[in-house]
Amino acid sequence: EDQVTQSPEALRLQEGESSSLNCSYTVSGLRGLFWYRQDPGKGPEFLFTLYSAGEEKEKERLKATLTKKESFLHITAPKPEDSATYLCAVQASGGSNYKLTFGKGTLLTVNP
Amino acid sequence: GAVVSQHPSWVICKSGTSVKIECRSLDFQATTMFWYRQFPKQSLMLMATSNEGSKATYEQGVEKDKFLINHASLTLSTLTVTSAHPEDSSFYICSARGVGTYEQYFGPGTRLTVT
Repeated sequence: EDQVTQSPEALRLQEGESSSLNCSYTVSGLRGLFWYRQDPGKGPEFLFTLYSAGEEKEKERLKATLTKKESFLHITAPKPEDSATYLCAVQASGGSNYKLTFGKGTLLTVNP
Repeated sequence: GAVVSQHPSWVICKSGTSVKIECRSLDFQATTMFWYRQFPKQSLMLMATSNEGSKATYEQGVEKDKFLINHASLTLSTLTVTSAHPEDSSFYICSARGVGTYEQYFGPGTRLTVT
């Protein structure tokens, strides 16, 4: 069974204080690992897809990296508007099943 | 690009009635659509997967006769909650996967309250 564990559950940062969120996963074969951002009362917003170990992707203050066992979402000099829940999900390879298995998320709060 | 809409954004209904939620992919064709449920401060729980023109595949523990899913076109899927009860109150979110892609793009969600 595919599993995704995110840590920490919650993270408080001061504006400008860089940090990383962790996503550990076990999957029979990885097709892709996805990062989403979710604001309260809204649907998740797609951020990144990572397909293979060593891959990195960046968007503004966010950088996602992938190893064979985990992914990190690095947040550089965060701003209060980066406050949200960040969700990690994996999609197993093989067949026509495109389901995502989600972690429980990391609630990030950035204080001004 | 990759915009998904849901309607309504919130709905209140009485116990025993049915309610339909629409999910549309606005600027792409969705081979597959997914329906999730999310409880407060919890992650998303997949309810079912639907492919255009096919019957939906429900996750274990999800009553298919209670949560009717129709995916009649490449841009529209509907979820009907039949004979709703207060325990069905939740945040329902759909997502869509485009042809030849792996990413799922999510709608804004529908808040259902059953009184």
